[in-house]
Amino acid sequence: QSALTQPASVSGSPGQSITISCTGTRRDVGGYNYVSWYQQHPGKAPKLMIYEVSNRPSGVSNRFSGSKSGNTASLTISGLQAEDEADYYCASYTTSITLGVFGTGTKVTVL
Amino acid sequence: EVQVVESGGGVVRPGGSLRLSCAASGFTFDDYGMSWVRQAPGKGLEWVSGINWNGGDRGYAGSVKGRFTISRDNTRNSLYLQMNSLRGEDTALYYCARVGSWDSGYLDVWGKGTTVTVSS
Repeated sequence: QSALTQPASVSGSPGQSITISCTGTRRDVGGYNYVSWYQQHPGKAPKLMIYEVSNRPSGVSNRFSGSKSGNTASLTISGLQAEDEADYYCASYTTSITLGVFGTGTKVTVL
Repeated sequence: EVQVVESGGGVVRPGGSLRLSCAASGFTFDDYGMSWVRQAPGKGLEWVSGINWNGGDRGYAGSVKGRFTISRDNTRNSLYLQMNSLRGEDTALYYCARVGSWDSGYLDVWGKGTTVTVSS
């Protein structure tokens, strides 16, 4: 099962909005509304930010939002803050195995 | 507090075995599926294995299928990963994670991880 495709890096200035894409196939991202997003700061465990495409867990800032169109899901961070600098991974349910598949990861830099 | 804590990592020679454990607390363990996810040094996340609430449904990544076995003991609120025939490419930080919904597969509670190093 191949990893979902994400841009290696995305950057933005404080206060701006950025969007991270996550491209799969109709067998994963495109076939189900089961995309999730994770934030990982250096040396820390991943943290769930978005589940089922656009739902935010309790405690996650509403500056984070998710969407999907066809085989591509997106995570948008609005009002970018220094603390948002981290690696971000998407993930999706897939028909191929009884597991999910992660994206390649995107490093977000706040300029 | 809802948490999962991994243990059992270490240094092992190629071809050797290791058993990871994950102790869960703060939630009803047998209400949830569980997963193992690993991260090689400087690399991304890789889903290794998952198990549903009663062990009746298990899945493995192709890279570990036939070598790793996932199991759980609901009486002990514990998850395990038996790793056999270990290879250098299995060197990674192994995370235990709770599956928030088995249907959609998102991972909503993560441990800090336990390190496995395969080296001669």
